Amino acid sequence: EPEVTQTPSHQVTQMGQEVILRCVPISNHLYFYWYRQILGQKVEFLVSFYNNEISEKSEIFDDQFSVERPDGSNFTLKIRSTKLEDSAMYFCASNGDSNQPQHFGDGTRLSIL
Amino acid sequence: GDSVTQMEGPVTLSEEACLTINCTYTATGYPSLFWYVQYPGEGLQLLLKATKADDKGSNKGFEATYRKETTSFHLEKGSVQVSDSAVYFCALSDENFGNEKLTFGTGTRLTIIP
Repeated sequence: EPEVTQTPSHQVTQMGQEVILRCVPISNHLYFYWYRQILGQKVEFLVSFYNNEISEKSEIFDDQFSVERPDGSNFTLKIRSTKLEDSAMYFCASNGDSNQPQHFGDGTRLSIL
Repeated sequence: GDSVTQMEGPVTLSEEACLTINCTYTATGYPSLFWYVQYPGEGLQLLLKATKADDKGSNKGFEATYRKETTSFHLEKGSVQVSDSAVYFCALSDENFGNEKLTFGTGTRLTIIP
C-alpha cells in the first residue's frame, strides 16, 4: 500500500538555525498538510496546500514557517529561525479526491537545543 | 470554532475486557468523524470513519457510531487484545475529505495487560 514518507525521522538543531523537514506524499494525491504534536499535547493543524499554494493555515503558522513543493514529489516545511518551542513531532499528510481521508507519515521529531 | 473532546487517559485494561473511549465534538457544519490510532514509534493511521449521522464505522473489531443528537462518536471494542495498546485520537473534518484540516482531540493512551 502506498505510504507517505518523511525524512529525517529525528532532527536536532540549534536554536536560531533554519530547518527543513521533508515529505514525499502518496504519488497521485493532490492535497498536502502539515501538523505538529508537542510532547503530551494534541495534534495541531499547521497548513494545507493545494495546486501549488497554501489553502489554509493556522495561527501557529507564522512568518517563520513556509512550505514548498519544489518538484513533483517532495513537500517541505521550512522553519526559518527555530525556537525552543518549535520542538515537536511534525506530521505530513496527503489525500487525493474528496472521498479519501488523509494519510499520515510516521513523523519527524524535531528537537531544538 | 471546531473542537473535539475525548476521554482523558491513560486507560489500562486486561486482555478481553470491553473498551469504550468517549468522544464528543463541536462543529459549525456537517463534519466527517474519524478515529486515528498511533502505535508506539509510528505515525497516525486511520482506524475508522463516518461521514454522516447514524453511520457506523468499523475496523479490526472497533466500532463507532456518528450520533448527531448527542454530538458523539464513541469508540468501542468488545474484547481488546495486547496488540491494541496505542494512543487513539478522535478527529473531525468540517466539510468533506478533499481539502479540510483535521481537528484532533488530545488522544487517549490505551494499555492492555495480558
